[in-house]
Amino acid sequence: QVQLVQSGAEVKKPGASVKVSCKASGYTFSDYYIHWVRQAPGQGLEWVGWINPNNGGTNSAQKFQGRVTMTRDTSISTAYMELSSLRSDDTAVYFCSSCSRSTWFKNDFWGQGTLVTVSS
Amino acid sequence: DIQMTQSPSSVSASVGDRVTITCRASQGISSWLAWYQQKPGKAPKLLIFATSNLQSGVPSRFSGSGSGTDFSLTISSLQPEDFATYYCQQANTFPALTFGGGTKVEIK
Repeated sequence: QVQLVQSGAEVKKPGASVKVSCKASGYTFSDYYIHWVRQAPGQGLEWVGWINPNNGGTNSAQKFQGRVTMTRDTSISTAYMELSSLRSDDTAVYFCSSCSRSTWFKNDFWGQGTLVTVSS
Repeated sequence: DIQMTQSPSSVSASVGDRVTITCRASQGISSWLAWYQQKPGKAPKLLIFATSNLQSGVPSRFSGSGSGTDFSLTISSLQPEDFATYYCQQANTFPALTFGGGTKVEIK
């Protein structure tokens, strides 16, 4: 069965960077796109960005451009999201989710979420 | 950027009630709208995709409708396990996505 397993919780100081991983299993890694979505405490869902594992192409929300880097390692079916220059308002749970290339309009698989806490 | 506005932001309802949540896009998104259910501490779960298509395994009491800019999610007979927060999400600007602000369905 399809599974996305994310790395564990992180605590970072303001100005630092964090790198969250998302390991996929149960499907051909290059056949599914990966989105990153975050949720601040008590708030709604916010799209961060997207990566095409097939060719490494990325796209991110304007507010994160210049601060977010999304990569993948196809040899271990893992996608990464790195956010730099962290601020307190980056404290959130970060989710990865996948959608197949043929059904790109539905994110049917989600990771368990990674809590990133930014605090001095 | 496309904005997604959900209403109401919260609703109190009883088991067996019919509940309808609406989602309005700031511009036309064709039929590229999905609905998710999220429970506390959990990842979102896909309920409906492409406006009205029920995701596999989702009970038939959930249904979606709409087109263009106005969409709705209806739960025909609310069950105890349906108390959660619901989000709409547009995919017309794929790969960029936009979520609505969420609607919390609470027990009356």
